[in-house]
Amino acid sequence: EVQLVESGGNLVQPGGSLRLSCAASGFTFTNYWMHWVRQAPGKGLVWVSHINNDGTYANYADSVRGRFTVSRDNARNTLYLQMNSLRVEDTAVYYCATINYRAPPPWGQGTLVTVSS
Amino acid sequence: QTVVTQEPSLTVSPGGTVTLTCASSTGAVNSGYEANWFQQKPGQAPRSLIYLTTYKHSWTPARFSGSVLGGKAALTLSGVQPEDEAEYYCLLYHDGVPVFGTGTRVSVL
Repeated sequence: EVQLVESGGNLVQPGGSLRLSCAASGFTFTNYWMHWVRQAPGKGLVWVSHINNDGTYANYADSVRGRFTVSRDNARNTLYLQMNSLRVEDTAVYYCATINYRAPPPWGQGTLVTVSS
Repeated sequence: QTVVTQEPSLTVSPGGTVTLTCASSTGAVNSGYEANWFQQKPGQAPRSLIYLTTYKHSWTPARFSGSVLGGKAALTLSGVQPEDEAEYYCLLYHDGVPVFGTGTRVSVL
């Protein structure tokens, strides 16, 4: 089955850290750039970061640059998002996704990150 | 900071036609912005409908079409069905950086 499954979301205090994972299956992971997208409760979609096929290039939204790091393990078909210095405004459901492909895997259900004291 | 703006809400009758637009604060949109359109229903993850401005996926209903109209990316729904009621998000690439639009809530009444 072609799928993306996010995990690692949790309740964390401001200033804390968290690592999200996205397990890919049923398709050739190395063929795709991968993205992280987030959605705060009741709000719209916001692009967070992307990484190229072999993990040698990544870019970030200004709101997370310097705090978040995206990486991938192509041997494990897994995408990661290391989130440091978390802020209340980082509270959201985080999705991994591919964009601009003919036959993209469906988005997963996301993983909820809650930053609160 | 680049802002991508969509209509907040639109209402359409079943069987009707509605066009959603997607504008960039940087200026007129063209195919180089590689517009994507996503549909999201309550409690569900987003689903891709259109990529590279006009291309449909195998699961995209034929009644959905993407284009550029008047300097904006556009998504047209022709022959709207009740199940098309949802939030729709566009995404535009700006110098290789994706930016989502503000979203349009489409009501079918």
